[in-house]
Amino acid sequence: EVQLVESGGGLAQPGESLRLSCAASGFTFSTYTMYWVRQAPGKGLEYVSAISTTGVNGFYADSVKGRFTISRDNSKNTLYLQMGSLRVEDTGVYYCARVRCTDGICYNVFDVWGQGTMVTVSS
Amino acid sequence: EVVLTQSPGTLSLSPGERATLSCRASQSVNIYLAWYQQKPGRAPRLLIYGASSRAIGIPDRFSGSGSGTDFTLTIDRLEPEDFAVYFCQQYDRALTFGGGSRVEIK
Repeated sequence: EVQLVESGGGLAQPGESLRLSCAASGFTFSTYTMYWVRQAPGKGLEYVSAISTTGVNGFYADSVKGRFTISRDNSKNTLYLQMGSLRVEDTGVYYCARVRCTDGICYNVFDVWGQGTMVTVSS
Repeated sequence: EVVLTQSPGTLSLSPGERATLSCRASQSVNIYLAWYQQKPGRAPRLLIYGASSRAIGIPDRFSGSGSGTDFTLTIDRLEPEDFAVYFCQQYDRALTFGGGSRVEIK
């Protein structure tokens, strides 16, 4: 079964750090670009970060650039998001998601999502 | 940044009726538009990609149309499990999501 399972969320104070993990199974993780997408309570979806298959290239929304770092370990089939200098507005559910690929062509739509992990930033 | 505006914000319908949801882009995104369904406490589920292609396992009562800046998601004969929030997403110019439309039971 194709699956993504996030972990690492919790409560942090403003300025603190958290590290999220996303364990992948049931597919060849190393061949997929991966994303983090978040959702503030009662709000819509927001792109956070993306990483290339090899992990060499990371991409970030302006709202997190310079504070968050995306990485992956293909030997462990795991995606990470290191979150630093956390702000109240970073509060929300963080999802990891896999892009959709067919016949070797991939598009930035998400056909597999994790269940999400809640991050709360509050003093 | 491409801004996606979804309407209506909330649609109140009865099971068996048709739902028509709109997503308008601030600039052309060609056909690079997807739709997702999200239920409370759950992750989004991909319904439509490429404006009109159904994802694997999506019933044919869900259909998408449009190109450029105006897109529509139609749900024929609403089933009880279809009452949820629907988001559009463009992937032509970077990646952005619409604010969502809620389909609620009347």
